[in-house]
Amino acid sequence: DVKVTQSSRYLVKRTGEKVFLECVQDMDHENMFWYRQDPGLGLRLIYFSYDVKMKEKGDIPEGYSVSREKKERFSLILESASTNQTSMYLCASSFGRRGRYEQYFGPGTRLTVT
Amino acid sequence: ELKVEQNPLFLSMQEGKNYTIYCNYSTTSDRLYWYRQDPGKSLESLFVLLSNGAVKQEGRLMASLDTKARLSTLHITAAVHDLSATYFCAVGRWIGNEKLTFGTGTRLTIIP
Repeated sequence: DVKVTQSSRYLVKRTGEKVFLECVQDMDHENMFWYRQDPGLGLRLIYFSYDVKMKEKGDIPEGYSVSREKKERFSLILESASTNQTSMYLCASSFGRRGRYEQYFGPGTRLTVT
Repeated sequence: ELKVEQNPLFLSMQEGKNYTIYCNYSTTSDRLYWYRQDPGKSLESLFVLLSNGAVKQEGRLMASLDTKARLSTLHITAAVHDLSATYFCAVGRWIGNEKLTFGTGTRLTIIP
């Protein structure tokens, strides 16, 4: 079974803090993704990576950055957390080839910025 | 810009009844996905629909895709309580890699 894990289930940070959210997958997937989920808005793509050290902006990248130094690990960074970044953050991974499209999701990190 | 709309947003139904969740999208897509999310949990993949006319069934859930109408449906037959969850559809497009655009979700509550 594909396993995607995230470093924290719940996180509380103060405004202005630098926040790191970590995601690890164990299926040798090429692609990794970070989404945020908000009520009434569904999931929105923040960033994704299709290879080590490669990244692309998603639909809402402002206020976020990412790092992928190893294939299995993808980090989301909030350089200076703000209250409007309070949300559920979901990491996902997938194979990067045609015919292997499905994304597998981690358990999520509920971040509260006070 | 691709828009994905689900309706209804909230659905409360009695056990044993049938109902359908609709997913409309605004531009041509390559694939359509359905996911389930239980409260406090992550997303679980239910179906991947790959082409026009595709139909997939698992237990009491059946998903179909009409690419000409840009419409997918998730039909629930004889609902049972453990189907209570939030259901998301997502449109997949290959832009060098598979990019998913999600609908807002349908929160389904099955009443005994």
